[in-house]
Parts: sequence; C-alpha cells; structure tokens
Amino acid sequence: DSGVTQTPKHLITATGQRVTLRCSPRSGDLSVYWYQQSLDQGLQFLIQYYNGEERAKGNILERFSAQQFPDLHSELNLSSLELGDSALYFCATLTRGSDGYTFGSGTRLTVV
Amino acid sequence: AQSVSQHNHHVILSEAASLELGCNYSYGGTVNLFWYVQYPGQHLQLLLKYFSGDPLVKGIKGFEAEFIKSKFSFNLRKPSVQWSDTAEYFCAVDNSGNTGKLIFGQGTTLQVKP
Repeated sequence: DSGVTQTPKHLITATGQRVTLRCSPRSGDLSVYWYQQSLDQGLQFLIQYYNGEERAKGNILERFSAQQFPDLHSELNLSSLELGDSALYFCATLTRGSDGYTFGSGTRLTVV
Repeated sequence: AQSVSQHNHHVILSEAASLELGCNYSYGGTVNLFWYVQYPGQHLQLLLKYFSGDPLVKGIKGFEAEFIKSKFSFNLRKPSVQWSDTAEYFCAVDNSGNTGKLIFGQGTTLQVKP
C-alpha cells in the first residue's frame, strides 16, 4: 500500500456516460497528479493540482476535468465517455525531499 | 517538447542473465530522473532516482542506473535477473524547473524465463 488511495479500483460503464474517479493523497502531500495509462498512448500526464489550485495541464481532453478539494482529495471527472477512454487512471502525489512521487493503485476504466 | 525514449519495448531473458534497459531524454535543463517498475496488476513503484551527485545510483532489488549527462541517458542495469523481475519498466523525467510533472517513456516489458 503506497498510502495514496484511489477509488474505485474498477469501473465499467457505457459510452456517453460520465464517471468520477477519486484520489486521496497521503497526509501532508499537497500535490496531486493524474495520469492515464493506455495501450496505445502509454503513460500520459493529464493534470496537476497543488493545494486546491490547478497547476499544469497535459494531454487532457475537454471532456475531462478535475478538481482538488479543501481536504486535498482530488476527483477526475470523465464525461461523454468513448471506447477509447478505456484505460488505467493513476493519481500520484509529490513529496519533495523524499522519494518523490508516490502512485496510487489506479482505477481501471472500461467503456463498453 | 520534452520526451523520453526507451529503446527496448520487449525484452526476454533467462534467469541470471544481465539486464540493461536504455533510456534517453530530450531536455537540456536540470532534470530529475526515475525508473519505475509496474508488476502485473499493480501500481508504479519507484526503483531508483537521480536528483544530483553521484551519477551511478543504486536502487532496490539490485537495480542500478547511470546518468550520463552528455548522452542524455539514464540506463537501467541489473547484473543477474530473477523470474520475479518480470514486469514493465518505465523511465521518467521530472523537469524540476517546471511543474514537476513526470514525462514517461513508452515502457519496456521484461519477461524473465525460469
């Protein structure tokens, strides 16, 4: 257990639907990074939040959005889902001065 | 744009063979370098990292990597692999002068035959 908690672990949904993925960082970690891992695109950075504010955006589709709440947990919202959105979605936190990034176990999203 | 390139996509070795996985990055500024391992069905785990200092870094499970700045490389090595090393390996770069987000290579699948 890395200490970064992601829920749910698995999600199966239909095209056109909307889902929310949740990430709870370790105590004291202010940054949350979201990554998408798919067979064709590999591991890609989606978006970063730091202490509630968006810090950086990567290859995130307009149909996707995220936010970080006052308790520092983060949610990634995926809407109008397409088959190609099927992937493993990881969140990571960053603890400066230590081992760096810590990853959660991921949410496997399957769009059918 | 920054990028990370892993030369080997799929490597098959027998137990006790030596391993070297290549990683090159394209960024001229200060970077932090990482190797992560992902066992089947599990999350990414840090093998080793380079922030500064000795360019030869040692990680967990007998892995090591050498940072060669002039070659923009950070190759992963292990003298003798075990069946339990079967996993996917990712090289990643953190542009520490920016937001700190990780740029990953495409990954290398290592299969070790007993």
